Amino acid sequence: NAGVTQTPKFQVLKTGQSMTLQCAQDMNHNSMYWYRQDPGMGLRLIYYSASEGTTDKGEVPNGYNVSRLNKREFSLRLESAAPSQTSVYFCASSPDGNSPLHFGNGTRLTVT
Amino acid sequence: GEDVEQSLFLSVREGDSSVINCTYTDSSSTYLYWYKQEPGAGLQLLTYIFSNMDMKQDQRLTVLLNKKDKHLSLRIADTQTGDSAIYFCAEKAQNAGNMLTFGGGTRLMVKP
Repeated sequence: NAGVTQTPKFQVLKTGQSMTLQCAQDMNHNSMYWYRQDPGMGLRLIYYSASEGTTDKGEVPNGYNVSRLNKREFSLRLESAAPSQTSVYFCASSPDGNSPLHFGNGTRLTVT
Repeated sequence: GEDVEQSLFLSVREGDSSVINCTYTDSSSTYLYWYKQEPGAGLQLLTYIFSNMDMKQDQRLTVLLNKKDKHLSLRIADTQTGDSAIYFCAEKAQNAGNMLTFGGGTRLMVKP
């Protein structure tokens, strides 16, 4: 019962470096999401994919890109990391847009 | 836009009841959720309530919804040390598609 798997668990980047956060789910869910969590601010939606082949911007998309590679996988890319992107990133999935979300364990990213 | 507010911190003694409160601004909310986050982990769905309900009970958890005041609460009966975590309230607005709006989280500390 893997659920939602995120890699890596931790990452340190220098300003300007790029990286891709990986997410995969094995629950055959249609919808997938990327959130960032900052202290005292709850979770804010970066991008989501309602179904395979579609992606949409969330509340805070600037500085990020996403790819819904197939039904299982949804990756988040930082092309040129900035210190403001230091955060904990959570991937989530749900069967559809009205169902509760299932979360991964997060990726803690530090940009220096 | 939507806003969801929670108090930052709650401390209770083991065996007491805990009540975590949440207020939201969007009157078109359809679903309201409570998630629990333990250290180093993702968010785990505890319970949710549809906006046409006033109350939902699930074992030690009771959710109360006052739609007129846009107030949601989570009561945990017989609170245990294992209930220590951060609790997030989230709401889904009618026209929000797949987007949830999260509160900043309430850190519950249970003292033995």
